[in-house]
Amino acid sequence: SQQGEEDPQALSIQEGENATMNCSYKTSINNLQWYRQNSGRGLVHLILIRSNEREKHSGRLRVTLDTSKKSSSLLITASRAADTASYFCATDEGAQKLVFGQGTRLTINP
Amino acid sequence: DTGVSQDPRHKITKRGQNVTFRCDPISEHNRLYWYRQTLGQGPEFLTYFQNEAQLEKSRLLSDRFSAERPKGSFSTLEIQRTEQGDSAMYLCASSQLSQPQHFGDGTRLSIL
Repeated sequence: SQQGEEDPQALSIQEGENATMNCSYKTSINNLQWYRQNSGRGLVHLILIRSNEREKHSGRLRVTLDTSKKSSSLLITASRAADTASYFCATDEGAQKLVFGQGTRLTINP
Repeated sequence: DTGVSQDPRHKITKRGQNVTFRCDPISEHNRLYWYRQTLGQGPEFLTYFQNEAQLEKSRLLSDRFSAERPKGSFSTLEIQRTEQGDSAMYLCASSQLSQPQHFGDGTRLSIL
């Protein structure tokens, strides 16, 4: 079963705009990770944030984590057409067994 | 780093047949995971190995499913007596301890 929910389920924006995706989860976690999946392909790891961290940056990506609200957000700045993909949050409940959300389908319009 | 390799990429079979998928992890990774992903959903954990030992199996993994990782290298996932509900993408991932998982491109299974 899915750990949590992602919001929105689908997002369509213009190239150059920022995209924000949210993830909520249910149980205590060791860390939370974000992955990208292009159509028909496997998942690519983007960023990991540990339960004792509140914010993390990697290039155009910014992730926040609020353990009191059991939620996380992924911000992609200055979006590009190549960012079109599905984005999943995944929580690590131990032994690195990942529990994924349902994902956000992001479309960047040129 | 040649990445995680899965074979075949696509498998079409009739209901009731057995199928076997193979995963070749990144060579120095001692952990290997199998997930199943249905259309529009996130991946769901099936099982994982540390070296050759299968350490955990999801309740999603019915008796018709079996996974092996002989010698702690490649892994196989077999589904016996396939059913319509087995149609999905089967993803393999590998990692070093406490490191992010690297995924293969999956095997898409279609049951006729």
